[in-house]
Amino acid sequence: TAGITQAPTSQILAAGRSMTLRCTQDMRHNAMYWYRQDLGLGLRLIHYSNTAGTTGKGEVPDGYSVSRANTDDFPLTLASAVPSQTSVYFCASSASGGHTDTQYFGPGTRLTVL
Amino acid sequence: GQNIDQPTEMTATEGAIVQINCTYQTSGFNGLFWYQQHAGEAPTFLSYNVLDGLEEKGRFSSFLSRSKGYSYLLLKELQMKDSASYLCAVQDSNYQLIWGAGTKLIIKP
Repeated sequence: TAGITQAPTSQILAAGRSMTLRCTQDMRHNAMYWYRQDLGLGLRLIHYSNTAGTTGKGEVPDGYSVSRANTDDFPLTLASAVPSQTSVYFCASSASGGHTDTQYFGPGTRLTVL
Repeated sequence: GQNIDQPTEMTATEGAIVQINCTYQTSGFNGLFWYQQHAGEAPTFLSYNVLDGLEEKGRFSSFLSRSKGYSYLLLKELQMKDSASYLCAVQDSNYQLIWGAGTKLIIKP
């Protein structure tokens, strides 16, 4: 079982350009999440989705958008990248949202915005 | 505000025991998680506590005191492969995880 896959593994992006980070899970989990991880800080939630067709804002949603057209995919889009969005981005999933379920993480995408 | 505190870095010797502490102040509490994260990799689940007391799982144990807003992760018989960051996360009243910055554990031979 692949679990959660993310693409690309890493990317260098010019400021002002747009980009979509891809996330796919094959565990049929209802809930999915996007986090960013920066040195010295804990993981911070960007957006989440408790079930297909619904999304919600996390702690740091500005500059990011998400969609959840189906159960498996949860892409994260940066409409106009800025250097402060340089980070490692992790996608995660759990069996259900709004409950106490273990979150499982993808391998991450390392993004550098210049 | 919501806050999770853990030591930034700890050093221990192979074969020894180490305790990593975590204190928290959150809006509501629906459980506390510990994750392990090796450098350059994804966090992986270690343990979950929602009731006070000790949960043991092999060489790893996790303790929770809800009244004190305190947890610790105990690692026994340390191995070199235990060198990693250990992340404490609390699930708040909205079932969102609030994460500490992590404790980098360095194991020396």
